[in-house]
Amino acid sequence: AQSVTQLDSQVPVFEEAPVELRCNYSSSVSVYLFWYVQYPNQGLQLLLKYLSGSTLVESINGFEAEFNKSQTSFHLRKPSVHISDTAEYFCAVTIQGGKLIFGQGTELSVKP
Amino acid sequence: NAGVTQTPKFQVLKTGQSMTLQCAQDMNHNSMYWYRQDPGMGLRLIYYSASEGTTDKGEVPNGYNVSRLNKREFSLRLESAAPSQTSVYFCASRRTSGGATDTQYFGPGTRLTVL
Repeated sequence: AQSVTQLDSQVPVFEEAPVELRCNYSSSVSVYLFWYVQYPNQGLQLLLKYLSGSTLVESINGFEAEFNKSQTSFHLRKPSVHISDTAEYFCAVTIQGGKLIFGQGTELSVKP
Repeated sequence: NAGVTQTPKFQVLKTGQSMTLQCAQDMNHNSMYWYRQDPGMGLRLIYYSASEGTTDKGEVPNGYNVSRLNKREFSLRLESAAPSQTSVYFCASRRTSGGATDTQYFGPGTRLTVL
């Protein structure tokens, strides 16, 4: 069965510092991988996704994630974070029928 | 284009009461989903509807029922609420013509407290 593990429940960082949010998945079949972001008191929004092709995918607001098949990982990175990046981030994998399996979430807290 | 809308935004119930959470999407999507979000557990799928007229159980269906009223609307019903159902509920929809790669779009959520 597929599963997703986010290795850090909380990540505090200072503004303009780099950050990495870690995500590992387990699956016996090919998967599609997603990162969603949830700002306080809001629903989830798609940040980026890996479907095929280049293993490095980017979002419009400076985040990137790299698909590593051998390590079954899909870590999310940003070289310099802003206060506005404070949110909860969810890694997810698509399984049969387009259903999503989510990780437990990582709370990113950016401090001035 | 409102996307995915949910009503109500907040609700407090007493144990044993019933209620229906409403969800509607205006993107002409085929598939719709109900999730619950609990601290430290991410989102878990309660029920989904792959297309109008079909519904299937997800990971945590016990205590819930759903109705796919038409292509736009997908409701979630709690027949006899229990404190364990205190959670934030999210509805989502997906186009599906692109297969499993299509993005799911989420509503703003309903915060439910069962006393």
